[in-house]
Amino acid sequence: QKEVEQDPGPLSVPEGAIVSLNCTYSNSAFQYFMWYRQYSRKGPELLMYTYSSGNKEDGRFTAQVDKSSKYISLFIRDSQPSDSATYLCAMSANTGNQFYFGTGTSLTVIP
Amino acid sequence: SAVISQKPSRDICQRGTSLTIQCQVDSQVTMMFWYRQQPGQSLTLIATANQGSEATYESGFVIDKFPISRPNLTFSTLTVSNMSPEDSSIYLCSVDRTGGGPTFGSGTRLTVV
Repeated sequence: QKEVEQDPGPLSVPEGAIVSLNCTYSNSAFQYFMWYRQYSRKGPELLMYTYSSGNKEDGRFTAQVDKSSKYISLFIRDSQPSDSATYLCAMSANTGNQFYFGTGTSLTVIP
Repeated sequence: SAVISQKPSRDICQRGTSLTIQCQVDSQVTMMFWYRQQPGQSLTLIATANQGSEATYESGFVIDKFPISRPNLTFSTLTVSNMSPEDSSIYLCSVDRTGGGPTFGSGTRLTVV
């Protein structure tokens, strides 16, 4: 079983839609959870960083962690064509520890 | 957060040859990391590079195939040696961000023909 599972998509939505991206994981020791956005021909860029369970909001982005279900989500409100990218989840047990990444979900927002 | 410059951004290489990828950070960092990103697969850590010591390689990666240099606290290179088409991938340099996840360079897209 992989440490982190992520649906690769692709996901295609109309502009303005709410997007939900998800990852599941198997290691209950994970405490730090990240979402990265990766544009074509670019490196991953950190979007959200959360610790333990709960929600964190930053503009149109909300990260949600449910440790009891080993499930994390990223919500994008009022999606824009510029949100079209691959989104990677990542997690670790401790800061500076090894990071485990999902395979990424490809998102296209259609104008 | 640190700014990472990585080059080349892409290259097409003949099998059997070697390619050296350079990574420059705009601030001094203790550890630098090299990842591989293959299509449809998650980022895989190749090795951790500390200044002044041998790099630490993850399972499945060996120094003869992926020699790494770390001459100072802002620079590292990764060489992909004796390349085969299976080495075609994106190679990423990264550094840890204090209180956050790793910061990545823009990546090197390698195609081996």
